[in-house]
Amino acid sequence: DAKTTQPPSMDCAEGRAANLPCNHSTISGNEYVYWYRQIHSQGPQYIIHGLKNNETNEMASLIITEDRKSSTLILPHATLRDTAVYYCIVRVGLNQAGTALIFGKGTTLSVSS
Amino acid sequence: ETGVTQTPRHLVMGMTNKKSLKCEQHLGHNAMYWYKQSAKKPLELMFVYSLEERVENNSVPSRFSPECPNSSHLFLHLHTLQPEDSALYLCASSQALAAYNEQFFGPGTRLTVL
Repeated sequence: DAKTTQPPSMDCAEGRAANLPCNHSTISGNEYVYWYRQIHSQGPQYIIHGLKNNETNEMASLIITEDRKSSTLILPHATLRDTAVYYCIVRVGLNQAGTALIFGKGTTLSVSS
Repeated sequence: ETGVTQTPRHLVMGMTNKKSLKCEQHLGHNAMYWYKQSAKKPLELMFVYSLEERVENNSVPSRFSPECPNSSHLFLHLHTLQPEDSALYLCASSQALAAYNEQFFGPGTRLTVL
C-alpha cells in the first residue's frame, strides 16, 4: 500500500494561494491520488482526485509530478473558511472488490487575515 | 434531505447500554462505509458494504456490529462498549467501490462512553 507524507501544518494569508505538498513515492501505476479536507467537528469533504494528469475543479487544482511520486494541492485564493486539515490519500486495493481510503495525519492549514 | 445524514449527532452511553447509530444516504450510491475518528488519531476504516454485502471488516471488536438492510441505510449497533470507544463515528457512501469514486461523508455521531 502506498503511503503519503505531508507537512503537519502550514500557514497562508487570506487571498493568497495555498500550496499543499504531498509525497507518495511508492505509489502504484493504478492508484489514484485523492485530497479531502476536514473542517473542525465535521465529516471529511472531497476536494479533488487524479491519476496522472493535472486536474482542476471549482475548489482547487491538483498538480501531479510526471513520475507520480508527489503532488501539490493548490487553493488559488485561500479564505478563512479554508482553514482545515487537508488529507492526501492514495487509494489502495481492498480484497478484490474495491478500495478504501486510508487517512494519515494530514496538514493543518491555517488561513489568517 | 440530500447527501449523507447521521443520527443521532451526539450520544452518551454507559458501558452496559445497547445503542445504534444510523446512517442514510440520499445519493443513490451502492457502497457505504463506517469510519472511527478518535482524538488526535487519523480516521480508521471500520466496515465497508457494497450492494448490502459486507466486503471488509477491519479487525473491529465484536462489540461493534454493522447492519446494511438496503443500499440507502447503514447501522452500527453498539453494546458493552469501553470508554476508549469514545470517538466521532463517520459514515460515508460512494457510487461504487472503484478507485475513481469519491466518498461523501456524513457529519458524524459524537459518541461518549461513560
